[in-house]
Amino acid sequence: SQTIHQWPATLVQPVGSPLSLECTVEGTSNPNLYWYRQAAGRGLQLLFYSVGIGQISSEVPQNLSASRPQDRQFILSSKKLLLSDSGFYLCAWSVLTGNTGELFFGEGSRLTVL
Amino acid sequence: AQSVTQLDSHVSVSEGTPVLLRCNYSSSYSPSLFWYVQHPNKGLQLLLKYTSAATLVKGINGFEAEFKKSETSFHLTKPSAHMSDAAEYFCVVSTPGTYKYIFGTGTRLKVLA
Repeated sequence: SQTIHQWPATLVQPVGSPLSLECTVEGTSNPNLYWYRQAAGRGLQLLFYSVGIGQISSEVPQNLSASRPQDRQFILSSKKLLLSDSGFYLCAWSVLTGNTGELFFGEGSRLTVL
Repeated sequence: AQSVTQLDSHVSVSEGTPVLLRCNYSSSYSPSLFWYVQHPNKGLQLLLKYTSAATLVKGINGFEAEFKKSETSFHLTKPSAHMSDAAEYFCVVSTPGTYKYIFGTGTRLKVLA
């Protein structure tokens, strides 16, 4: 069966420090991978998605970047965190089957920037 | 263009009474529609999905939703609320064959004892 791992689960970082959140998927090949951010009491904002190794699409210009160094690994990074980067970050994957496919989510990473 | 509107940001029901969470969508194509549930500080879990098969879709934990094209709606229902149903619920639309999913702003369900 497929599983998705996301870490760290919680992170407290000072303003201006770097960030690296990692996500790996097991049990499937060539998934579409996504990073979402959820601010307190808000809906989900799509940050990045990737349809293959090295292919990254950015939805919102911001202080973050994403990379996909391996088929089932997706990394969210920042060189210098801002207060506004605080939030709950969710990694997700999907595989299009017969023209449709649902998203499967990790457990999330809560980032607090102080 | 696609969009989804969840008509209620908060819904409160008593335990044992029916649940109705409303969702309207807009899509230029025949959409795929999903409902997800999120408990505090957790990831999202799929409740059910509509993918152009039966218009009445049954999901996990006794939830179901009906796709009504004429009303562009996909409302989520459950006959009898349980305390464990208290969570946030998201309606999602996707155009088949694309990589993008559009999320509603969520409905927080409170279940009263």
